[in-house]
Amino acid sequence: AQTVTQSQPEMSVQEAETVTLSCTYDTSESDYYLFWYKQPPSRQMILVIRQEAYKQQNATENRFSVNFQKAAKSFSLKISDSQLGDAAMYFCAYRSARWRVEYGNKLVFGAGTILRVKS
Amino acid sequence: DGGITQSPKYLFRKEGQNVTLSCEQNLNHDAMYWYRQDPGQGLRLIYYSQIVNDFQKGDIAEGYSVSREKKESFPLTVTSAQKNPTAFYLCASRTGVDTGELFFGEGSRLTVL
Repeated sequence: AQTVTQSQPEMSVQEAETVTLSCTYDTSESDYYLFWYKQPPSRQMILVIRQEAYKQQNATENRFSVNFQKAAKSFSLKISDSQLGDAAMYFCAYRSARWRVEYGNKLVFGAGTILRVKS
Repeated sequence: DGGITQSPKYLFRKEGQNVTLSCEQNLNHDAMYWYRQDPGQGLRLIYYSQIVNDFQKGDIAEGYSVSREKKESFPLTVTSAQKNPTAFYLCASRTGVDTGELFFGEGSRLTVL
């Protein structure tokens, strides 16, 4: 079974600085998706960024970028120019790209990292 | 606006009572999911449905039941058999196009007194 590990329960960053959130995962598959979701105090889960495993290029969305190391099974999220609105719980998630009934295309989530932004 | 609506946002129930959480989506998505969120444990899958009139157990289905009679609706019943039902429940859906991501509702907080 696939597992996702986020080893940092909490992180802090100064406003305008850069912070990196770590994520590792375990899978025997070669084709999959990886995601970072943000959960602000409102509790609504918001997709931050997506990475397809077959793509070597790291995904980027404005101030958010990832460092995808497939061989190391590592998928970290870098937030540049941190803003107060970035304060949230961040979840790393994995999904197999193969259509298998027993997987149901479900997302497997890590335990989350709370990010605090200091002004 | 298209989206996923969960209700109620907050719910209190006494031990031994069943309670049903509503999830409605107008995104025309085929697949729908229920996740449970507990502090320090991330999200865990309870049930999912790929298509109307079909659903599958997730990782923690014991004490829960679902139905999928309409494409738009995927209600979750928390039964009295669920040992520790106090949690935050999130409903999600996914389009048939395989982009991988899930779209989430705003969640329902269930507290058992």
